[in-house]
Amino acid sequence: GQNIDQPTEMTATEGAIVQINCTYQTSGFNGLFWYQQHAGEAPTFLSYNVLDGLEEKGRFSSFLSRSKGYSYLLLKELQMKDSASYLCAVRDGAGNMLTFGGGTRLMVKP
Amino acid sequence: DSGVTQTPKHLITATGQRVTLRCSPRSGDLSVYWYQQSLDQGLQFLIQYYNGEERAKGNILERFSAQQFPDLHSELNLSSLELGDSALYFCASSAEAGPNEAFFGQGTRLTVV
Repeated sequence: GQNIDQPTEMTATEGAIVQINCTYQTSGFNGLFWYQQHAGEAPTFLSYNVLDGLEEKGRFSSFLSRSKGYSYLLLKELQMKDSASYLCAVRDGAGNMLTFGGGTRLMVKP
Repeated sequence: DSGVTQTPKHLITATGQRVTLRCSPRSGDLSVYWYQQSLDQGLQFLIQYYNGEERAKGNILERFSAQQFPDLHSELNLSSLELGDSALYFCASSAEAGPNEAFFGQGTRLTVV
């Protein structure tokens, strides 16, 4: 099975940088995903890591350390529209199930 | 727009009833996943179909069932509904058997009264 932990809530200031951490314990691992979800809306894909290291995509970056079972999502130059939940998800060894953490609700304040 | 279509958007029904939720995946995607999201449980994986065959099963109740049809659309059937089944039900699709960049539909909000 999979156990995925991430903070429940975070608050940050517009224009700042925020790092959202995710730790996981899995019986198999075949990649880690980050999704953004605004309240009542569908999750939208942000990033995917399968190898150790940093993946950068515009204002968003994601890091993975497989040996530590650890990932983070880094959001730079925060904007008000970044207020949302950020979901960490792990794909199992068979590559079929995508198990989500409980999500981190980020509030961006002026 | 993700290209994944779910109907209906909202559904209100009584306890003990049965409902069917429908999902049309993105054009060309063979995999369909169903997820349940309630306030206190987060996004829970229910079941996956790939090209018409069941591929993976998560925490899906026996009262729930799903299928994927030859045209690749999928239906999730929920029966003997209970108040606790009230949730957002999301469908996602991806091109391959493993959820590489799965795309989510807008969800069906089910309210059981």
